[in-house]
Amino acid sequence: EAQVTQNPRYLITVTGKKLTVTCSQNMNHEYMSWYRQDPGLGLRQIYYSMNVEVTDKGDVPEGYKVSRKEKRNFPLILESPSPNQTSLYFCASSLSTGGGDTQYFGPGTRLTVL
Amino acid sequence: GENVEQHPSTLSVQEGDSAVIKCTYSDSASNYFPWYKQELGKRPQLIIDIRSNVGEKKDQRIAVTLNKTAKHFSLHITETQPEDSAVYFCAARDLNTGFQKLVFGTGTRLLVSP
Repeated sequence: EAQVTQNPRYLITVTGKKLTVTCSQNMNHEYMSWYRQDPGLGLRQIYYSMNVEVTDKGDVPEGYKVSRKEKRNFPLILESPSPNQTSLYFCASSLSTGGGDTQYFGPGTRLTVL
Repeated sequence: GENVEQHPSTLSVQEGDSAVIKCTYSDSASNYFPWYKQELGKRPQLIIDIRSNVGEKKDQRIAVTLNKTAKHFSLHITETQPEDSAVYFCAARDLNTGFQKLVFGTGTRLLVSP
């Protein structure tokens, strides 16, 4: 089954404790992206990747890191989480970097930073 | 950069009525406009999209219209059903940049009452 998976789905952590949210897709998609969803603010892009080893900042990259060592995986890293990073996070992927391809979203990761 | 405004933030209708959600965008270079539906606790999923060379697109009870001159586009849902209740997001993307930067609106919560 073609899908985007994220882990963990729920995470409660404390300020400053490094964490990684994994994202994986099995559709051989070139493009992957991370969004955060906050009430009243919609979906805001954190980072995106156009292919292996090619990443760039989105609109709200502060406090986050990403890597794209393999085509299928695009982990989101919070080196020192803070309470303002409490949010619902979505990973998304699409076939190519142009042409209006549909973005497929993962199931989401609800993160709480105390 | 692109900025997308979406109205209304909430919309309540009776089953069978029509619902209209409107979005405006700022970047005249944007030429691809998808709409995503997010049911409660679920991931966003594409329901319809339109490109700038088309003024209207229809898929059963859902239609999207685009006015490039005014830089606004709208989602129309006819004969609404309770299962249409969800949050709807519009988005805009500048395909000419060569990468998939989608900018989302802040979302509209649609409630369809039986």
